[in-house]
Amino acid sequence: RKEVEQDPGPFNVPEGATVAFNCTYSNSASQSFFWYRQDCRKEPKLLMSVYSSGNEDGRFTAQLNRASQYISLLIRDSKLSDSATYLCAVLDQTGANNLFFGTGTRLTVIP
Amino acid sequence: DAGITQSPRHKVTETGTPVTLRCHQTENHRYMYWYRQDPGHGLRLIHYSYGVKDTDKGEVSDGYSVSRSKTEDFLLTLESATSSQTSVYFCAIRRATNEKLFFGSGTQLSVL
Repeated sequence: RKEVEQDPGPFNVPEGATVAFNCTYSNSASQSFFWYRQDCRKEPKLLMSVYSSGNEDGRFTAQLNRASQYISLLIRDSKLSDSATYLCAVLDQTGANNLFFGTGTRLTVIP
Repeated sequence: DAGITQSPRHKVTETGTPVTLRCHQTENHRYMYWYRQDPGHGLRLIHYSYGVKDTDKGEVSDGYSVSRSKTEDFLLTLESATSSQTSVYFCAIRRATNEKLFFGSGTQLSVL
């Protein structure tokens, strides 16, 4: 079973729409979660961390649901520039302190 | 900008040849990582380092070795490249003060 699973999409939404992605994780002991954005042929870039209380950064809101073991990313008022692949990541609780990544969800915002 | 440079950016090589990818950082971070990214699999950890000469295996380490003789450089070596190692390779660093990873620009490797 994969540590982290995401719906690969693609999600095609019109400008101004609200879109949400979910990501499930398998290790109930996981404590730290992140969303990354990856543009085509570029490196992943940290978008935001996900805290237990949820957090918001402008049009982006990240939330954690421990009971159901998923994290979510909500994008409001979508812009053309939001078109990218969004990767969720979960911290490996064992020695490496590396991140387990989902395969990514592709978002295309349409004019 | 996390001060990470990967080289080369692109490489084409033949099956059976050795290949070394370099990751260089300028900010003296202790933790460095090598990932590969493939369609349908996402990013997977190959090896990581937690200090000079301190390295360990990740999820997909078979066929790869690493070395870290200086804090700033983390080398990934494919001793005898195979076509299944065609991939995009990303180096990452972790700042000691938090758990977030920051990535280099990647190396596109094609093994023919």
